[in-house]
Amino acid sequence: EAQVTQNPRYLITVTGKKLTVTCSQNMNHEYMSWYRQDPGLGLRQIYYSMNVEVTDKGDVPEGYKVSRKEKRNFPLILESPSPNQTSLYFCASSTSGRAPEQFFGPGTRLTVL
Amino acid sequence: EDQVTQSPEALRLQEGESSSLNCSYTVSGLRGLFWYRQDPGKGPEFLFTLYSAGEEKEKERLKATLTKKESFLHITAPKPEDSATYLCAVQASDYKLSFGAGTTVTVRA
Repeated sequence: EAQVTQNPRYLITVTGKKLTVTCSQNMNHEYMSWYRQDPGLGLRQIYYSMNVEVTDKGDVPEGYKVSRKEKRNFPLILESPSPNQTSLYFCASSTSGRAPEQFFGPGTRLTVL
Repeated sequence: EDQVTQSPEALRLQEGESSSLNCSYTVSGLRGLFWYRQDPGKGPEFLFTLYSAGEEKEKERLKATLTKKESFLHITAPKPEDSATYLCAVQASDYKLSFGAGTTVTVRA
């Protein structure tokens, strides 16, 4: 089954404790991206990657890091999480054609105390 | 800066009462405009991509249209199962994606 998986689905942590949210897709997609979703603000893109070893900042990259060492994986790293990073996070992937459909993962709900 | 504004924020409809959602946008080099549906606690689900002004696409009770400044999602004779948040997004020439805040549609039986 074609899918985007994220782990963990739920995470409660404390300020300053480094964490990684994993994202994996099995569709051989070139494009992958991370979003955060907050009430009233909608989905905001954090980082995106056009292919292996190619990453670019989205609209809200501060406080986040990403890497794309393999085509299928695109982890999101919070080196020193803060309470304002409490949010619902989505990973998505797509082919690299003209404005292709994005396939979204199930989401990771992160709470930073 | 690319910008996407959706209106209204919320829409309450009676079953069978047709209506339209608006998405106005400014973007540098539009590669495409997307409509997604999102149910509570789930990831967005793709509905349509529109590429150029004048284009229209349909799927069941939904029809999306595009002009140079805005897009409309028309819901014809909605059913309760059409209740969801509908998201509009644009992809710019640098492949960055920008989403609107969404319109939450509630359809009462």
